[in-house]
Amino acid sequence: EVQLVETGGGLVQPGRSLKLSCVASGFTFNNYWMSWTRQAPGKGLEWVASITNSGGSTYYPDSVKGRFTISRDNAQNTLYLQMNSLRSEDTATYYCTRYYSSYDCFVYWGQGTLVTVSS
Amino acid sequence: DVVMTQTPVSLSVSLGGQVSISCRSSQSLVHNNGNTYLSWYLQKPGQSPQLLIYKVSNRFSGISDRFSGSGSGTDFTLKISRVEPDDLGVYYCGQGTQYPNTFGAGTKLELK
Repeated sequence: EVQLVETGGGLVQPGRSLKLSCVASGFTFNNYWMSWTRQAPGKGLEWVASITNSGGSTYYPDSVKGRFTISRDNAQNTLYLQMNSLRSEDTATYYCTRYYSSYDCFVYWGQGTLVTVSS
Repeated sequence: DVVMTQTPVSLSVSLGGQVSISCRSSQSLVHNNGNTYLSWYLQKPGQSPQLLIYKVSNRFSGISDRFSGSGSGTDFTLKISRVEPDDLGVYYCGQGTQYPNTFGAGTKLELK
């Protein structure tokens, strides 16, 4: 059974940093692209970052480019999201997702971790 | 960015009934390779989203054949037949054809 368990969320002040982690199990982690997708409270879904299976390439939308960094440790089956210069509009539940690059969709989702950016 | 517009915003249905959700994209979702990367997700109350349909009409593993996707170019539809209580929640369409991946605002399916 595929499991994605996110940790690291919490309350953080604007301008500060936070690092999210996602431990994956139930599949061969280094065979798959991984992504982070977020959902602001009561709002829709927004893709945040993707990383290739080797970690050699990363992709971001303009809204987080230069502030967020996605990375992975294939030996530890763990995905990370380093978030710097956080803004109030980054407040959201962040989902770790397994991305299927052949179909360009988000196949499996974790339970999410809430990040609140507020002073 | 490709804007995904879903209609209606909300939908009321009786158990056993049938519903359709529309999703329109601001640009064609036909990729240079000929594939169309349009997917549908369901977020049940208090849960994470789950994949229902990928590449317009392909049901993901374990998804009931009561769910069907269709469409092409910029117009897409998700149909749900014989609605069951477990189908209730918010449905999102999403595209992966053009960077960045984008989603519709969602359609809430409720019981009448």
